Amino acid sequence: AQRVTQPEKLLSVFKGAPVELKCNYSYSGSPELFWYVQYSRQRLQLLLRHISRESIKGFTADLNKGETSFHLKKPFAQEEDSAMYYCALGRNEKLTFGTGTRLTIIP
Amino acid sequence: DAGVTQSPTHLIKTRGQHVTLRCSPISGHKSVSWYQQVLGQGPQFIFQYYEKEERGRGNFPDRFSARQFPNYSSELNVNALLLGDSALYLCASSWRGENTEAFFGQGTRLTVV
Repeated sequence: AQRVTQPEKLLSVFKGAPVELKCNYSYSGSPELFWYVQYSRQRLQLLLRHISRESIKGFTADLNKGETSFHLKKPFAQEEDSAMYYCALGRNEKLTFGTGTRLTIIP
Repeated sequence: DAGVTQSPTHLIKTRGQHVTLRCSPISGHKSVSWYQQVLGQGPQFIFQYYEKEERGRGNFPDRFSARQFPNYSSELNVNALLLGDSALYLCASSWRGENTEAFFGQGTRLTVV
């Protein structure tokens, strides 16, 4: 069975400080990993996916198959980064989401 | 482009009733998926349809059913509603179903009383 774990429900970071949102997954095979974000009063939207290996809004995430992790990182937090972040694993037309981490950037 | 649209936005039903939720995908998208999001949890996969055929089903009881129409819009039906069915129901569309980017609607907030 596939499973995604986000150990932190809440995370507060000062503006300008580095951010790391943790995500671990359980899946036997080649997973496709995503980070979705939901800003206040907006719909859930894709932030980035591991296969594209790009940086979006300063965020990056590296797939570590040895540690089965896909942590989301940003070197310098900005106030507009405050949102709900979900890590998701995609396989066979199905996305399995973690429980999410609410990130709050303190001015 | 209007994005994925869902209707209604809010709904209150009584236990035992039936409900139909609707979703219109982004123009050109042939895949529609449904998710249930209970408060404090991440979205949980219910169904996925591609080209009008069911391609995936999550761990939900048979009270949940769905279909996709020739114009690729979709309906989610839930029979014999329980209090535990209260949740935000999300629809997502994508060009293809195979782990391509899913675009989500705003959701339908269902409250069962």
